[in-house]
Amino acid sequence: EDQVTQSPEALRLQEGESSSLNCSYTVSGLRGLFWYRQDPGKGPEFLFTLYSAGEEKEKERLKATLTKKESFLHITAPKPEDSATYLCAVQAKGQAGTALIFGKGTTLSVSS
Amino acid sequence: DTGVSQNPRHKITKRGQNVTFRCDPISEHNRLYWYRQTLGQGPEFLTYFQNEAQLEKSRLLSDRFSAERPKGSFSTLEIQRTEQGDSAMYLCASSLISYEQYFGPGTRLTVT
Repeated sequence: EDQVTQSPEALRLQEGESSSLNCSYTVSGLRGLFWYRQDPGKGPEFLFTLYSAGEEKEKERLKATLTKKESFLHITAPKPEDSATYLCAVQAKGQAGTALIFGKGTTLSVSS
Repeated sequence: DTGVSQNPRHKITKRGQNVTFRCDPISEHNRLYWYRQTLGQGPEFLTYFQNEAQLEKSRLLSDRFSAERPKGSFSTLEIQRTEQGDSAMYLCASSLISYEQYFGPGTRLTVT
């Protein structure tokens, strides 16, 4: 069964304290791995897509990397506005354009 | 560039009543998805449309749930005879040929 596990469930950082979020996945064949940011009471906001092991994507203070079994979202020198829940999702081969399988998310709190 | 919109944003209903939600996707997107999200969980896939054709349904979509996408534009999700377990955030997403799914703000349903 395809599944996604994210850790830690919650992470508290001081402003400027860099860290990483983990997304471990089991999927029959990976078509793509996606990172989303979700603020309370809002829909997920798309951040990155990674397609193959070794691929990296960056956006401002965020950098996503992918291996054959997991993905990391690295946050460099975070600011309070980076506080949110970060969701990881996978799409399996043979399901083009269909279901994303999400993890439960990591809730990040950054204090000044 | 208007994103995905959903109406209503909040709905409170009594158990046993029927409710209907609407989703307007990004205008050029031909694929539309419905997900459900409960507190502390990631979104769970419900159903998927390509243009007006409903191509996939999750086992989560019981007989009380029905979705339509007439003319391949907006979509509606109806829940008949609501139950307390239906209380959740209902999210709509749309995509083009690429795999990135863009989410709307969601409709929060509370069944009393």
